[in-house]
Amino acid sequence: AQSVAQPEDQVNVAEGNPLTVKCTYSVSGNPYLFWYVQYPNRGLQFLLKYITGDNLVKGSYGFEAEFNKSQTSFHLKKPSALVSDSALYFCAVRDDLNTGFQKLVFGTGTRLLVSP
Amino acid sequence: NAGVTQTPKFQVLKTGQSMTLQCAQDMNHEYMSWYRQDPGMGLRLIHYSVGAGITDQGEVPNGYNVSRSTTEDFPLRLLSAAPSQTSVYFCASSTTGWHEQFFGPGTRLTVL
Repeated sequence: AQSVAQPEDQVNVAEGNPLTVKCTYSVSGNPYLFWYVQYPNRGLQFLLKYITGDNLVKGSYGFEAEFNKSQTSFHLKKPSALVSDSALYFCAVRDDLNTGFQKLVFGTGTRLLVSP
Repeated sequence: NAGVTQTPKFQVLKTGQSMTLQCAQDMNHEYMSWYRQDPGMGLRLIHYSVGAGITDQGEVPNGYNVSRSTTEDFPLRLLSAAPSQTSVYFCASSTTGWHEQFFGPGTRLTVL
């Protein structure tokens, strides 16, 4: 079965500094990876996805993610953090069920706190 | 358009009560799904649908029923609420499995 792991429960970074939120994956076949963000009392919002192609994927709000096949990682990055980036971030991988439905398997989430 | 809407936003039930969580989308998406979010566990798939009239079970379907009579609506029914069903419930929709899922704002359910 497909799975992702987010090794850090929380990441703290100062505003203006670069940020990285880590994600590793375990899949059979080609990985289809996603990052979502959840702001307080809100639903999840899509940030970016990797299906194939360039290993550096650019997404919403200035975020990008680097796909690394040899390290089975898909880390989320941003060059300069904003206080408003403080939220809960989920990595997810697509899992194809035998019914034809493609579900998302989510990591446990990483809370990002950006201090002023 | 409104995207994915969920009602109610909050609900408190007593053990044994039943209720329906409503979900609607106005994007003409074929795929819809229900997840529950529990602390430290990410989101887990409860039920899903690949089109009107077609539903199937996800990872944690026990205690929940769904139906899909229209493309727009995908209600989740709790048959006899239990404290273990205390959670935040999210509905999501997408065009296909290749596309990102759009999530509703969630329903926070407490079962006493």
